[in-house]
Amino acid sequence: DVVMTQSPLSLPVTLGQPASISCRSSQSLVHSDGNTYFNWFHQRPGQSPRRLIYKVSNRDSGVPDRFSGSGSGTDFTLKISRVEAEDVGVYYCMQGTQWPPTFGQGTKLEIK
Amino acid sequence: EVQLLESGGGLVQPGGSLRLSCAASGFTFSTYAMSWVRQAPGKGLEWVSAISASDGTTYYADSVKGRFTISRDNSKNTLYLQMNSLRAEDTAVYYCAPFDFWGQGTLVTVSS
Repeated sequence: DVVMTQSPLSLPVTLGQPASISCRSSQSLVHSDGNTYFNWFHQRPGQSPRRLIYKVSNRDSGVPDRFSGSGSGTDFTLKISRVEAEDVGVYYCMQGTQWPPTFGQGTKLEIK
Repeated sequence: EVQLLESGGGLVQPGGSLRLSCAASGFTFSTYAMSWVRQAPGKGLEWVSAISASDGTTYYADSVKGRFTISRDNSKNTLYLQMNSLRAEDTAVYYCAPFDFWGQGTLVTVSS
């Protein structure tokens, strides 16, 4: 199985400051069809996960543009340009290129 | 409005069975591959099983293979997960998701 490794696992951030989460996969996530099926999810406390980013850098509908995804191959990054209070929670990366789909361990973002 | 409503969770003894359901609305259910993802208390996300949109091909995590069965009824817009031979380590909130969006989850507790 593809192992997804996130860092950091804990991310204290001051409101209005930027934040960045890294995710590294144990194998290339480039599919034979040329796409890279890599996603970012956000889970607020007590809520279900919500997808933020799909195929590396595409924001889902309703996701603020302060969120951006980048990367290729095995290294990916989620950036928040200016953290807001509603951004607290756990962020997960996930690959869907190879079966089975696998998630990172999660990064807990909290406000300092 | 897209909705995924899971049901069927509860308390069950080790070795017992449960059948989870996920009622979908607000999108063309029959065109989406669907997954079950679980989250043990205080832990991260673990993909459990998936079923394709078209031909009903099924996939399972090694941890549940041979014990869980995923199925779907496109005429009823419903996804199912039959869980047999349940173990304490199956205790989790179970979400149904095509990953674009997620249900609210249903809690399965396996305990004597």
